[in-house]
Amino acid sequence: EDQVTQSPEALRLQEGESSSLNCSYTVSGLRGLFWYRQDPGKGPEFLFTLYSAGEEKEKERLKATLTKKESFLHITAPKPEDSATYLCAVQAYAGGTSYGKLTFGQGTILTVHP
Amino acid sequence: NAGVMQNPRHLVRRRGQEARLRCSPMKGHSHVYWYRQLPEEGLKFMVYLQKENIIDESGMPKERFSAEFPKEGPSILRIQQVVRGDSAAYFCASSYTGDTEAFFGQGTRLTVV
Repeated sequence: EDQVTQSPEALRLQEGESSSLNCSYTVSGLRGLFWYRQDPGKGPEFLFTLYSAGEEKEKERLKATLTKKESFLHITAPKPEDSATYLCAVQAYAGGTSYGKLTFGQGTILTVHP
Repeated sequence: NAGVMQNPRHLVRRRGQEARLRCSPMKGHSHVYWYRQLPEEGLKFMVYLQKENIIDESGMPKERFSAEFPKEGPSILRIQQVVRGDSAAYFCASSYTGDTEAFFGQGTRLTVV
């Protein structure tokens, strides 16, 4: 069974204090790893897809990286508006056919104080 | 181009009633997924549909829950004889293919009283 574990559960930062969120996964065959941001009362907002170990993607203050066992979401000089729950999810291959199903972690609640 | 549209945003049902949740995918998307988010829990996959076909329903409870995505019109998640444990946020997502990123709607928050 595919599993995704995110740590820490909650993270409090001061504005400008850089840090990283971790996503560890076990999957039969990784087709892709996805990062989403979710604000309270809203649906998840797509951030990144990573497909292979060593891949990196950036968007504003966020950078996502991928190894064979985990992914990191690095936040550089965060601002209060970066406060949200960050979700990691994996999509697995099955029998040579990719399925759309995503398996999500529990999320990391990030709070950035001004 | 509107994103994934879900309605209603909030739905209150008494125990034993039926709940119908609707999802219109993004324009050009023919793959639809339903997820459930229980209080203090993560997003859990329920069902994956492609026009008129159920591709994967491994996350659907065996009883009372059903989903469809007809040739015309929105996808519908139907919950019969709701119980308090069905209270949750239900999210729909759509993608262009089964391999591309999925975009989520704002969710329907179901409260069973």
